[in-house]
Amino acid sequence: QVLLVESGGGLVKPGGSLRLSCEASGFTFSNYYMGWIRQAPGKGLEYISYSSTTNEYTNYAGSVKGRFTISRDNAKKSLFLHMSGLTAEDTAVYYCARGFEEYQLPFYFDTWGQGTLVTVSS
Amino acid sequence: DIVLTQSPATVSLSPGDRASLSCRASQSVSTHLAWYQQKPGQAPRLLIYDASKRAAGIAARFSGSGSGTDFTLTISSLESEDFVIYYCQQRGKWPLTFGGGTKVELK
Repeated sequence: QVLLVESGGGLVKPGGSLRLSCEASGFTFSNYYMGWIRQAPGKGLEYISYSSTTNEYTNYAGSVKGRFTISRDNAKKSLFLHMSGLTAEDTAVYYCARGFEEYQLPFYFDTWGQGTLVTVSS
Repeated sequence: DIVLTQSPATVSLSPGDRASLSCRASQSVSTHLAWYQQKPGQAPRLLIYDASKRAAGIAARFSGSGSGTDFTLTISSLESEDFVIYYCQQRGKWPLTFGGGTKVELK
């Protein structure tokens, strides 16, 4: 069974930092580009970032560029998102998701985790 | 960034009805568009990709059409579990963007 499980969310003060993790199982993690997508409470979806199979290539949405860093550990089948300079606008459920096709840019996402909530508040 | 506008924001229908959900792009994305379904408290699920291709395990009552800037998700006969929110997403140009969603509610 293909599964993604996020962790690391929580309450953080404005300006603070947080690291999210996503553990994968049920597929060959190292063959897939992986991404993060977030959803503010009651709002729509926003693409955040992707990591290539070896993390050689990464991409960020403008809203997080320079503040968020994506990384991965293929041996541990894990994806990470390090977030810094957090503001209230970063409050959201953060989803880890798998790119649609092996070795291809994550144009679409066919498997999603259950999400982890990040709340930025003083 | 490419803006995707979904309409209507909410549609009220009955089980067995046909649903047509619209997604309009601010510039052409060719057929590089997907549709996702999101149930309350759950992650989105990929329904349609490349405008008209059904993802694995998706019921035949879901179909997609369109190209360029205008796209439609059609649910041929609504079942009870279909009364949830649907999002479109484009991959024609980075960054990937999503529409604001259409909620299909019970009439």
